[in-house]
Amino acid sequence: GAGVSQSPRYKVAKRGQDVALRCDPISGHVSLFWYQQALGQGPEFLTYFQNEAQLDKSGLPSDRFFAERPEGSVSTLKIQRTQQEDSAVYLCASSLGLAGTMNTEAFFGQGTRLTVV
Amino acid sequence: DQQVKQNSPSLSVQEGRISILNCDYTNSMFDYFLWYKKYPAEGPTFLISISSIKDKNEDGRFTVFLNKSAKHLSLHIVPSQPGDSAVYFCAASQAAGNKLTFGGGTRVLVKP
Repeated sequence: GAGVSQSPRYKVAKRGQDVALRCDPISGHVSLFWYQQALGQGPEFLTYFQNEAQLDKSGLPSDRFFAERPEGSVSTLKIQRTQQEDSAVYLCASSLGLAGTMNTEAFFGQGTRLTVV
Repeated sequence: DQQVKQNSPSLSVQEGRISILNCDYTNSMFDYFLWYKKYPAEGPTFLISISSIKDKNEDGRFTVFLNKSAKHLSLHIVPSQPGDSAVYFCAASQAAGNKLTFGGGTRVLVKP
């Protein structure tokens, strides 16, 4: 497809379970962002990749959260030992260019709704 | 500490009239501002942006105004259409393409 694709769309996890959320960015997009959106709030930044390099992970809420983009394309956000407060929509966005350059519009995927029970 | 605030959680407007959405920010390092539109079960879609060197940017029915001294921006939609009914997010970054800091959103309902 032409857009950012995220899978699964919905995930229900039992507390303590590990989950992996996948993001397929638009082909050729250099920059990739993960955001977390709690119910009724705006998205909050988690982490940023430029190609395969994770340049900013300042938004990751705890060391249970881990993200990777090993080949500079597909990215995975992993949450270990999920807690109820992890319940949110996880959004992935990609953009063609680097920060401060042209072509920096971020295109968002539909998100993965994670519910921890 | 919310660095970007949208103080109106909802807005109802008649079709054909103007919708005005407001956003305030506190971080003086923000240099680039955007509005996103979100329908249920979809990701945010980029609408319009403005750099801090401008005070106005227009794109069709959408105009964004920036008052840097007041740390305030607004989005005007004229005329409003039923298809504009969605949640609108204001976002800010320190440069184009950098990570975004979002407001809490304003739900707009355009009545036919």
